[in-house]
Amino acid sequence: QVVLTQSPSAAASLGASVKLTCGLSAGHSNYAVAWHQQHPGKGPRYLMKVNSDGSHNRGDGIPDRFSGSSSGAERFLFISSLQSEDEADYYCQTWDAAIWFFGGGTKLTVL
Amino acid sequence: EVQLLESGGGLGQPGGSLRLSCAASGFTFRNYAMSWVRQAPGKGLEWVAGITTGGGAWYADSMRGRFTISRDNWKDTLYLQVDSLRAEDTAVYYCGRETIFVSAWITIDYWGRGALVTVSS
Repeated sequence: QVVLTQSPSAAASLGASVKLTCGLSAGHSNYAVAWHQQHPGKGPRYLMKVNSDGSHNRGDGIPDRFSGSSSGAERFLFISSLQSEDEADYYCQTWDAAIWFFGGGTKLTVL
Repeated sequence: EVQLLESGGGLGQPGGSLRLSCAASGFTFRNYAMSWVRQAPGKGLEWVAGITTGGGAWYADSMRGRFTISRDNWKDTLYLQVDSLRAEDTAVYYCGRETIFVSAWITIDYWGRGALVTVSS
């Protein structure tokens, strides 16, 4: 069973950068994850897939302010030039043998 | 433009049944596997079920038995039947289009706006 661990909250200033972290449980450090953004009251939006080698594949229309990287069992979502509309919940997700796993989500506040 | 529009949510009675629909447009529906994901009030995302292009169904362990996913490729519509409704089924239910990477790894690349199901007497 894969467990994805995310910090419940993060905050950064308008125009600054922030790095969100998704930790993979032991034995799953080679798994890819996807990042999804969700604004209050809205459906999620796929941002990107981040592979274990740090390569990433952004979804349609996702600006290059959003990027991904990896280090060991951690997968990161990096957002630069923070805008007010980046304030949202961010979920990481992975998949293994027809079972889906989601992290608990990180609420990002843009100050 | 890819669009997924859920319907069929509302108030359900404990022990009753409810069927959600998800109308797809903007892509060739029959070529994509689809999933349902739910979100209880104030909680995170929880995968419910998925269905292949050919109709093969997969369920989260906790959902097996009361949930039935199906699709109609002629109507470009995905369905989720929920039986024996429980209070803990109260959630927003999202449909999603699956995308499969060359490594056979899967995620959802397009999500609907969701349908709220409230189970209460």
